[in-house]
Amino acid sequence: GENVEQHPSTLSVQEGDSAVIKCTYSDSASNYFPWYKQELGKGPQLIIDIRSNVGEKKDQRIAVTLNKTAKHFSLHITETQPEDSAVYFCAARADSSASKIIFGSGTRLSIRP
Amino acid sequence: GAVVSQHPSWVICKSGTSVKIECRSLDFQATTMFWYRQFPKQSLMLMATSNEGSKATYEQGVEKDKFLINHASLTLSTLTVTSAHPEDSSFYICSARAPGGGGYTFGSGTRLTVV
Repeated sequence: GENVEQHPSTLSVQEGDSAVIKCTYSDSASNYFPWYKQELGKGPQLIIDIRSNVGEKKDQRIAVTLNKTAKHFSLHITETQPEDSAVYFCAARADSSASKIIFGSGTRLSIRP
Repeated sequence: GAVVSQHPSWVICKSGTSVKIECRSLDFQATTMFWYRQFPKQSLMLMATSNEGSKATYEQGVEKDKFLINHASLTLSTLTVTSAHPEDSSFYICSARAPGGGGYTFGSGTRLTVV
């Protein structure tokens, strides 16, 4: 089955700087890669996603890149703000009828004022 | 956008009792819903896939007799934790896939504490 690894587990950046979180996946059949932001005591919220036929996607300060050959995908947050502090999860879904998504281990992002 | 409602948001129960958690898709029909469990400072671990009108598919290591899943309609899936024990205390989260090949929407989670 699919296995998703995520790094780093914690990340602290100065407000205004950029943050990068990286993930790798194991199943070459995976075709959908969402990123979620989770605040304390709440469910995950989708912030951006990318499909396997696209190499990069951007939405304002957030961008995701995908390298299918290397089975890597990354989240980039620019001009970080205090409200970006949260736990971020990458995930992957294999192209199968199960349609289930598997999560990475999470990155706790802290924005220093 | 697609909204998934989960209730209750928190529940405390005595050891040995059963607890039911509801997951509803409010503005769309979901033939498939997913149940996750999350321990403090850990990731979301998929427990099972809930299929409308049929049996749930459980992940390896998840006890189907302990975690009963019922998906009786296209908008409601329930997870019942039977004979709960303190080690079942966790954050339980459901999700559903939005129609038209959309992304997965998650509920707000249920904090279960077994005392």
